[in-house]
Amino acid sequence: QKEVEQDPGPLSVPEGAIVSLNCTYSNSAFQYFMWYRQYSRKGPELLMYTYSSGNKEDGRFTAQVDKSSKYISLFIRDSQPSDSATYLCAMNGVVGGKLIFGQGTELSVKP
Amino acid sequence: DVKVTQSSRYLVKRTGEKVFLECVQDMDHENMFWYRQDPGLGLRLIYFSYDVKMKEKGDIPEGYSVSREKKERFSLILESASTNQTSMYLCASSSGTAGDTQYFGPGTRLTVL
Repeated sequence: QKEVEQDPGPLSVPEGAIVSLNCTYSNSAFQYFMWYRQYSRKGPELLMYTYSSGNKEDGRFTAQVDKSSKYISLFIRDSQPSDSATYLCAMNGVVGGKLIFGQGTELSVKP
Repeated sequence: DVKVTQSSRYLVKRTGEKVFLECVQDMDHENMFWYRQDPGLGLRLIYFSYDVKMKEKGDIPEGYSVSREKKERFSLILESASTNQTSMYLCASSSGTAGDTQYFGPGTRLTVL
């Protein structure tokens, strides 16, 4: 079993839809959680960073962490075609330590 | 803004060649990382470094080596390239302090023929 599981998709939604992206993990020591966005043929860029459980909002994006269920989510409101990318969850238990990545979910937002 | 640059965006090499992939970061970060990314396998850590002249094996170090002679530069070396090393190679750096995470370069798409 992988330490981090993420549905690879692809996920296709119409413009304006609410998108929910999810990851589950098995290591209870993880406490730093990240979402990266990767456009085609580019490197991943950090989108959201959260520590421990709770919610964090940044514009149209909300990151949610439920440590009791070992489950993290990224919500995208009013999705735009420019949100079309692969979204990777990542996490670790130690600051600056190795990141464990999910496989990435490919998202396509259709105009 | 953190900037991580990689020496080439696309590279084509022949089997058996020695290949150097260079990565430079301009934020005085302590930590640097090399990953490869393959469809269906996600990002896999090859090597990382927490300090100059220091290196640690990641999850898939076989067939690779690294060099970190200066803080800002981290090189990945394929001693004898093989076709199964055709991949997207990503470099990342981080400060290692609380609230920070890894910042990635644009990637090098390596094809070994």
